[in-house]
Amino acid sequence: DAGVTQSPTHLIKTRGQHVTLRCSPISGHKSVSWYQQVLGQGPQFIFQYYEKEERGRGNFPDRFSARQFPNYSSELNVNALLLGDSALYLCASSLGLARTDTQYFGPGTRLTVL
Amino acid sequence: QKEVEQDPGPLSVPEGAIVSLNCTYSNSAFQYFMWYRQYSRKGPELLMYTYSSGNKEDGRFTAQVDKSSKYISLFIRDSQPSDSATYLCAMSAGSGTYKYIFGTGTRLKVLA
Repeated sequence: DAGVTQSPTHLIKTRGQHVTLRCSPISGHKSVSWYQQVLGQGPQFIFQYYEKEERGRGNFPDRFSARQFPNYSSELNVNALLLGDSALYLCASSLGLARTDTQYFGPGTRLTVL
Repeated sequence: QKEVEQDPGPLSVPEGAIVSLNCTYSNSAFQYFMWYRQYSRKGPELLMYTYSSGNKEDGRFTAQVDKSSKYISLFIRDSQPSDSATYLCAMSAGSGTYKYIFGTGTRLKVLA
């Protein structure tokens, strides 16, 4: 069974540009969450989606947005990139929103903003 | 004060040693506790998942939760060089958004 997949693997952008990151969850999983992991830190929660609806949002500016598609895949969009947005962006999927539904992470997209 | 505190290490041990990794937390609403292993430049891999207080064992790994002290631990027995990675604790209140709150991670190096 394929795990969570993310694309692209690496991305280099310049300040002010826009970026779109993509995630495909594990087959059968309906919930997708996005996390930002800055070097040397633990992942920080950005968004959670379930059945195409936003179910949670972390402390990130409005430049960050996301959506989930009918096939449960998801996109994370970041506008007006800043140097501080350089990080590993992780997607995690879970079966649903039950308390026991653990999150499984993809390999991440490494974003570098110059 | 951060919700979850974790010693960043690095922690170096000889092969075969017992490793103890720890996290403390301040939010008494946390009920679900996870340990992830993350190799360099990879995504976190789920190792252990526990609910509330108690111990859980899986092979060489034992997860321990003490809710009264707001303290969780991961023990690795007979550590191997392949265990060298960053270990992240994560916690969830299990209600609302179910978001995970992570520690900063502890870098572990097992020397052959």
